[in-house]
Parts: sequence; structure tokens; C-alpha cells
Amino acid sequence: DIQMTQSPSTLSASVGDRVTITCRASQTISSWLAWYQQKPGKAPKLLIYKASSLESGVPSRFSGSGSGTEFTLTISSLQPDDFATYYCQQYKAFGQGTKVEIK
Amino acid sequence: EVQLVESGGGLVQPGRSLRLSCAASGFIFDDYAMHWVRQAPGKGLEWVSGINWNSGSIGYADSVKGRFTISRDDAKNSLYLQMNSLRAEDTALYYCAKDTGYDMSYYFDYWGQGTLVTVSS
Repeated sequence: DIQMTQSPSTLSASVGDRVTITCRASQTISSWLAWYQQKPGKAPKLLIYKASSLESGVPSRFSGSGSGTEFTLTISSLQPDDFATYYCQQYKAFGQGTKVEIK
Repeated sequence: EVQLVESGGGLVQPGRSLRLSCAASGFIFDDYAMHWVRQAPGKGLEWVSGINWNSGSIGYADSVKGRFTISRDDAKNSLYLQMNSLRAEDTALYYCAKDTGYDMSYYFDYWGQGTLVTVSS
């Protein structure tokens, strides 16, 4: 089974910062990768699919890239609404999550 | 507006059964694959099971295979999860999630708010 590993587990940042979260697969995968945002007490929200396609309605400050075994989610300018936990996912496997906290 | 409303969670003893339901509205239910994803308290997301649009393709996580059964009733716009032989480690918030395709793409564009299952004696 494919394992997805995210880094870092926790990230402290300020409003306006450029933030990058990395997701590594245990074996080479296609670009069939998604990113989700989850806020406390809420259901996850799809941000990115197929590694780099932005879901409808998601702000353009979010972007995804990567192929093979390494993928990244980038927030170009962190906004107050972006403090949350982010998960990558490839088919049935989710990463363990990255919590983005206020610095 | 797409809505997914889960129900059926609760406190149950180890070894007992529970049936979760997910009522869907706001989209053509029988055109899409559907999934169950769970989240143990304070933990990450775990895919549990998925079913394609015509119930011809069904999948389960290894952790629930042989104990859980997913099904759908397109006439009722509803998704179900029959959970048998429940264990303490099944304790979690169970989300119903809509796939973006008719076969399982594993991209979940809409989620319910979840129903909590607690397995304890």
C-alpha cells in the first residue's frame, strides 16, 4: 500500500507569508493527488485535484505542483482564513496532516 | 445546493452493529460514486469505503474489510454503511463524501458534517 507523508506536521506563519507544504509518496504515483483544507469542527474542503488543478471557488493564492513521489501545496500569501489543517490524498491514502498556525 | 446529511451514529458496545445513513440532495445522486471517510478524535482522515454509481465497483479499507458493508439506494438518494463487529478503534466521526465522478476517482468535492460513532463498553 502507498503511504503518504506530509512535512512539516506543524507550521507557524504570519499573515502575508508564502507557505509550502510537502507531501511524499512511498512509491511513484501518477498526478492523481488531492489537497484538502480542514478547519476545527468542520468537514474537509477540496482545494486541489490532479496535483495542480484548482477546485472551483478556491482562491488563486492556493496552488499545487509535483509529480512522481513529491508534491507541494503553496499558499502564496497567507490570509487569516487559511489557518487550518491541510491533508494530501492519493486514492485511498491520506497524509497525516499539516497544521498551519498563527506565528 | 449539494447537501449530505449523515445519521445513525451513537454509542455502541464492542462487537455490536450499527447502520449509518447519508441522505443526499442537490445533485443527481445516481450519477456519482460515493464514499465514507472517518476521523478518529484528534486524528487524521481515513478512507473507509467507496461505491461507484451503479454499485458495480465497491472497495473497503483493510481495517474494515469483512466487517463493514457499503450500499446505496438511488431511489431514496441515500448511502449506507452497515458496521458489524465494531471495535474500540472504529470510534470516529464518519463522513459521507461525494466523488467527482461516476466511478471512484477518490476526489471528494462535497462532504457531510459527519455522524459520531463511539464504541465502548
